[in-house]
Amino acid sequence: EAGVAQSPRYKIIEKRQSVAFWCNPISGHATLYWYQQILGQGPKLLIQFQNNGVVDDSQLPKDRFSAERLKGVDSTLKIQPAKLEDSAVYLCASSLALYTGELFFGEGSRLTVL
Amino acid sequence: GNSVTQMEGPVTLSEEAFLTINCTYTATGYPSLFWYVQYPGEGLQLLLKATKADDKGSNKGFEATYRKETTSFHLEKGSVQVSDSAVYFCALSGRYNFNKFYFGSGTKLNVKP
Repeated sequence: EAGVAQSPRYKIIEKRQSVAFWCNPISGHATLYWYQQILGQGPKLLIQFQNNGVVDDSQLPKDRFSAERLKGVDSTLKIQPAKLEDSAVYLCASSLALYTGELFFGEGSRLTVL
Repeated sequence: GNSVTQMEGPVTLSEEAFLTINCTYTATGYPSLFWYVQYPGEGLQLLLKATKADDKGSNKGFEATYRKETTSFHLEKGSVQVSDSAVYFCALSGRYNFNKFYFGSGTKLNVKP
């Protein structure tokens, strides 16, 4: 069974530029999450989707971050314009449903903002 | 609110030493508790879990017991190996908040030969 796929693995941009990350969850997983992991910290939830609807985006900085999951399968996270403090690893995870209790993570996309 | 506190690292041990990584939590209701492990350059992967009080989760020689009275879920292993070197995250999730996970800050374990 294929795991959670993310791309790109690494991205270096200058501040004020834009960047997009893509995630394809495990087949059949209805719930998809985007986490931000700053060096030395635990993952912080940015947004959670159930199929193509948003369950929780309370921690998403909506002035610069956006995310979509239009067909309820893969998802894109965009940052525009990027700030230095956005340097982090962006982790995508999926779970079978809202109450299944286990997350499956991708390898992450490391963003460096110069 | 919900939160997880785990001991700061790094923790450095010699091979075959005993490992304990402390984790305590604050939660409303009755959460499920997890330990995730992150090897260098990889994503997080589930190590073990416990879904109710007094449950013991175990995997690959690691174990942790869900202690409701002390709100703790300490990770233990009797004899660590060099291959156990990684970052360990304690986490909780409540079934009444749509499976939202709260992670601790992580504890880096270095095992020396």
